[in-house]
Amino acid sequence: GENVEQHPSTLSVQEGDSAVIKCTYSDSASNYFPWYKQELGKRPQLIIDIRSNVGEKKDQRIAVTLNKTAKHFSLHITETQPEDSAVYFCAASIGGQGAQKLVFGQGTRLTINP
Amino acid sequence: DVKVTQSSRYLVKRTGEKVFLECVQDMDHENMFWYRQDPGLGLRLIYFSYDVKMKEKGDIPEGYSVSREKKERFSLILESASTNQTSMYLCASRSPGGHNYGYTFGSGTRLTVV
Repeated sequence: GENVEQHPSTLSVQEGDSAVIKCTYSDSASNYFPWYKQELGKRPQLIIDIRSNVGEKKDQRIAVTLNKTAKHFSLHITETQPEDSAVYFCAASIGGQGAQKLVFGQGTRLTINP
Repeated sequence: DVKVTQSSRYLVKRTGEKVFLECVQDMDHENMFWYRQDPGLGLRLIYFSYDVKMKEKGDIPEGYSVSREKKERFSLILESASTNQTSMYLCASRSPGGHNYGYTFGSGTRLTVV
């Protein structure tokens, strides 16, 4: 079955710098790759996603890139701010649209230092 | 906005008890999921349901069962709680026909088995 590996497990950056989190997946049939942000004590929230027919997607300070050949995708956060501190999860889909489920990575705890 | 409501934020149960975790969504979503979240392991799928009365095992179903008698409600049952089931439990839902393929999560239930 699908396996998603996420690195690093922890990441600490200075405010204003960029942060990059990387994930690899094993099932070449996966076609949907969301990223979730979970603040302390709160539910995971979808922040950006990408489908397999697109190589890159941006939304203000966050972007996701996908390399289907290498089976890896990355989250990029630019001009980091204290409110970016959270745990981030990547995920990859398996199954058809009506029966799709997500396999998650292990999570990255991002800390933004002022 | 879709609301996914989990009935309890915190639960403490004794070893051997039968435990029910309830999840209700208000947007007529067909798909519902139960995940378990543990530090360093990410979110692992316990069970999911494509529609009413339908259920499928996820990656870690041992010791759990589910019930989906109505579309809006998906219950996770711990048949005989054990200390290794102490964890955060997250419910999620999605509509396979929607443009947003991502999940909406509940706030989670932190279960402690003593």
